Amino acid sequence: QTVVTQEPSLTVSPGGTVTLTCASSTGAVTSTYQSNWFQQIPGQAPRALIYSTTNKHSWTPARFSGSLLGDKAALTLSGVQPEDEAEYYCLVQYGDMWVFGGGTKLTVL
Amino acid sequence: QVQLQESGPGLVKPSGTLSLTCAVSSGSFSSRDWLTWVRQPPGTGLEWIGEISHSGKTYYNPSLKSRVTISMDKSKNHFSLSLRSVTAADTAVYHCTTHPAGEGQLVNWGQGTLVTVSS
Repeated sequence: QTVVTQEPSLTVSPGGTVTLTCASSTGAVTSTYQSNWFQQIPGQAPRALIYSTTNKHSWTPARFSGSLLGDKAALTLSGVQPEDEAEYYCLVQYGDMWVFGGGTKLTVL
Repeated sequence: QVQLQESGPGLVKPSGTLSLTCAVSSGSFSSRDWLTWVRQPPGTGLEWIGEISHSGKTYYNPSLKSRVTISMDKSKNHFSLSLRSVTAADTAVYHCTTHPAGEGQLVNWGQGTLVTVSS
């Protein structure tokens, strides 16, 4: 069974920079895996932020960026705002199916 | 903005069948679009259940494939999720989502509906 692993929790200060990562049990995450990133605020449906590793949606704030970092997919927040406190999930493609990571709870403190 | 609304029973008995419907706002499901079902057990993470294309092609999570069916009635812009032989582990908020091919996954989300499996 394929497992996608994210940091369970991270803490960042307002205005700071933080990187969340997404690792695959099958090996290195490459652009082929078409990584997506989602933000979920408690009580709300998730919101798409990044697709195809690096692409932003029209509504994605400029401070969010996606990349590959070593053998993982990564989401970097630069100039973190208090409203960025949320759960973040990556979604990775494996052939005909997709697998979510376990999520990272980001605390802005 | 695409509007999605899930509906269905909030309580299902163990070993029964979970049946949900997703209504997509009129004219919002084009030939490039896919509809995906995602679920989230209380207090835990997201799980990809499966998806269906405008032409009816389906893909399922292998861990659920033997129990799940996703179908659609394009004329009514209605999509269905059927999950058979449910257990308490299937208790979750179920979301339907849509996205156009090649422009990112799961772009539009319904608010989700909680389904509890209990006798």
